[in-house]
Amino acid sequence: DGGITQSPKYLFRKEGQNVTLSCEQNLNHDAMYWYRQDPGQGLRLIYYSQIVNDFQKGDIAEGYSVSREKKESFPLTVTSAQKNPTAFYLCASSSTKGANVLTFGAGSRLTVL
Amino acid sequence: AQSVTQLDSQVPVFEEAPVELRCNYSSSVSVYLFWYVQYPNQGLQLLLKYLSGSTLVESINGFEAEFNKSQTSFHLRKPSVHISDTAEYFCAVNILTGGGNKLTFGTGTQLKVEL
Repeated sequence: DGGITQSPKYLFRKEGQNVTLSCEQNLNHDAMYWYRQDPGQGLRLIYYSQIVNDFQKGDIAEGYSVSREKKESFPLTVTSAQKNPTAFYLCASSSTKGANVLTFGAGSRLTVL
Repeated sequence: AQSVTQLDSQVPVFEEAPVELRCNYSSSVSVYLFWYVQYPNQGLQLLLKYLSGSTLVESINGFEAEFNKSQTSFHLRKPSVHISDTAEYFCAVNILTGGGNKLTFGTGTQLKVEL
């Protein structure tokens, strides 16, 4: 079945450590996105990429980094510069044609100890 | 900047009662509108969408939403809810400016269906 796989599902990190969240899709979608979800704040866009080897900052990119070396993969690194990294992170993908409906992964919950 | 407002953060309702989850957006140009549903500790799933044509759109599980351009609203309704409808619901808007597919999400409404 086609879909988006995020890993790990749960991740614990000590302050000062960088962590990388994986996102893989087999939907043949050109565009991929990372959102952060906090209670009562909805989803906020961190980074997005519409084509391999290119990506743009979203609304809250500070303290995060991404790469898009392959169409299927869009990993997110939460760096030690991110001041409040504890959150639920959602990866999504879409076609760049038509209405571009987003398909989401199951999410990764990061907790900083 | 586009924005989406979901005024109700929580909506408690008894099973088999009707429910309306409100969504308003700010835009004077064409938009695509979406409702997504999120069950606990899961990703979001598309519930229904308005792209063009009929302003009333329906989902397979009995939800419907009506696009009202004059009121810039896209409220979600269901005439009779079930316990399994308990979830968080997000309204989202994509303003058609040619700047790519950047959805703006509302802050979500937690629907809690009680017996």
